[in-house]
Amino acid sequence: QKEVEQNSGPLSVPEGAIASLNCTYSDRGSQSFFWYRQYSGKSPELIMFIYSNGDKEDGRFTAQLNKASQYVSLLIRDSQPSDSATYLCAVGINSSASKIIFGSGTRLSIRP
Amino acid sequence: SAVISQKPSRDICQRGTSLTIQCQVDSQVTMMFWYRQQPGQSLTLIATANQGSEATYESGFVIDKFPISRPNLTFSTLTVSNMSPEDSSIYLCSYRAPTTDTQYFGPGTRLTVL
Repeated sequence: QKEVEQNSGPLSVPEGAIASLNCTYSDRGSQSFFWYRQYSGKSPELIMFIYSNGDKEDGRFTAQLNKASQYVSLLIRDSQPSDSATYLCAVGINSSASKIIFGSGTRLSIRP
Repeated sequence: SAVISQKPSRDICQRGTSLTIQCQVDSQVTMMFWYRQQPGQSLTLIATANQGSEATYESGFVIDKFPISRPNLTFSTLTVSNMSPEDSSIYLCSYRAPTTDTQYFGPGTRLTVL
């Protein structure tokens, strides 16, 4: 059973601080990794994807991937109240190039 | 990314009836997917809908319950058949962008079965 694990939270972070969201996955052959943001009552919105070990930065967001440790994280710098949402980690399963498995999501709350 | 829409956005249905959800993408895409998201839960893949071939269903989902059509490269439908209250959920259509291998979601259909 391929799995993607996330801490469900809620993770409470003060405004302006760095929010750190973590995800582990079980399929060692996975090659593609995604972070989605989902506001309550809305559909998931892709915010980052990463395929190579290391860091990938896009504005206030940084995705970090460590394939040896089977670990992917998302950092949000200068957190804003509008960042309050559920963040879903998703992993492409190597055995099926088309399939993406989602974690259960981490609920992030940015307190003013 | 292409624009993806779903109809209806929500519906309330009686048990034993069926509902067909439509998904439209404004450009041609090879791979489309249907997901279910139950209240407070993450996304569960129901099936992959490929144009010109039968849909591929995930474990726990069967064609008789969730028939899928994919008549062309921009459109797909998911039918939820013989509904029960346990089918109350948000149903999401998704497509895969071929160049980046990223996946985008429609706005979802919120289904309530009484």
